[in-house]
Amino acid sequence: ETGVTQTPRHLVMGMTNKKSLKCEQHLGHNAMYWYKQSAKKPLELMFVYNFKEQTENNSVPSRFSPECPNSSHLFLHLHTLQPEDSALYLCASSQDLLASDEQFFGPGTRLTVL
Amino acid sequence: AQTVTQSQPEMSVQEAETVTLSCTYDTSESDYYLFWYKQPPSRQMILVIRQEAYKQQNATENRFSVNFQKAAKSFSLKISDSQLGDAAMYFCATTNFGNEKLTFGTGTRLTIIP
Repeated sequence: ETGVTQTPRHLVMGMTNKKSLKCEQHLGHNAMYWYKQSAKKPLELMFVYNFKEQTENNSVPSRFSPECPNSSHLFLHLHTLQPEDSALYLCASSQDLLASDEQFFGPGTRLTVL
Repeated sequence: AQTVTQSQPEMSVQEAETVTLSCTYDTSESDYYLFWYKQPPSRQMILVIRQEAYKQQNATENRFSVNFQKAAKSFSLKISDSQLGDAAMYFCATTNFGNEKLTFGTGTRLTIIP
């Protein structure tokens, strides 16, 4: 595997389910991100991790719970979601948290909440 | 707070022709970075081109170039000799020192007409 991978690619869940999204980067980067992408809206930054430490929580509801066990892996744990949480969830990584750093994105998980 | 505006939700161009995608932004910072990212259908988002506001010279990457007008806070992307593989959503984004997180626009969907 190369670059940034995400699993699963598609997920359908009920509002009472608990599921997790997984992201792995094979680039040796130190920073990782979760974004939410909804139609006709700008990408919304959700969480930022740098060297496994969370540096940003962009007022995300507690039904989204991130976990970063090491610099290569990032999880997003989901529970009691709402239909409006249906979206494409993108993971990204960058070498560091510098303004100039290019972010490398995964293919995303298409989440549908019924 | 930074904002990014892409006023063209959709654009189309004939193959081999040139197209320009518009982007305006608002920031109170004097130095910052501007990016164009490309998201092909069902594929990962990738960086197209990057510009540091400190540099007056417009960035160029092969067929992609920008027209950076700092006073007007404008950062348009020109694609020359358009190819079918250029069909994608194009996102304009910005970061600055002290707020290294990307702020995205809503995107422009580019269609290439054969």
